[in-house]
Amino acid sequence: DVKVTQSSRYLVKRTGEKVFLECVQDMDHENMFWYRQDPGLGLRLIYFSYDVKMKEKGDIPEGYSVSREKKERFSLILESASTNQTSMYLCASSTRTGAASGYTFGSGTRLTVV
Amino acid sequence: GQNIDQPTEMTATEGAIVQINCTYQTSGFNGLFWYQQHAGEAPTFLSYNVLDGLEEKGRFSSFLSRSKGYSYLLLKELQMKDSASYLCAANRDNYGQNFVFGPGTRLSVLP
Repeated sequence: DVKVTQSSRYLVKRTGEKVFLECVQDMDHENMFWYRQDPGLGLRLIYFSYDVKMKEKGDIPEGYSVSREKKERFSLILESASTNQTSMYLCASSTRTGAASGYTFGSGTRLTVV
Repeated sequence: GQNIDQPTEMTATEGAIVQINCTYQTSGFNGLFWYQQHAGEAPTFLSYNVLDGLEEKGRFSSFLSRSKGYSYLLLKELQMKDSASYLCAANRDNYGQNFVFGPGTRLSVLP
């Protein structure tokens, strides 16, 4: 069964902490994405990557960075966590050539910054 | 800009038919997707349209009009397990995959 695995289901961090959210996929997908999901706003794209060591800013990259050193792993980094980054974070992956197949999502990490 | 609109909430009765509408306006377009998301779970793929017309898959159908920037998801013979949020997403990358999502429609199916 193909999977996108996010390392933590729930996280509580303090304001100012550096936070790492990890995502690993076992489908050999080229594309990986980080979204945050907030009530009434839907999913908003933070960063994405179409290849190893490649990254592109999404719609709301401020306060975040990413790392993709290996094809299967895409990490989201909150350099200095703030309370407005409290949210559900969803990682997704997709194949470069499979336009019709869409994304496969991880189960999400609910981050609370206090 | 990128904008996708869909109703926030809908309610329907078990056994009925419900239509969830979605309008989109994106810089590029390479397909319209519908996802289902149960509370606390990851979104799962339901349907994909890239050409105008209706795609049917069991109890679920999805329609696309590219000229109108409009899609709908039709759910027939509603079951209690269909209570979930339904996410409309447009792929705005003409050559790859880069989705912009609507706010989601929370559907409640009542007995």
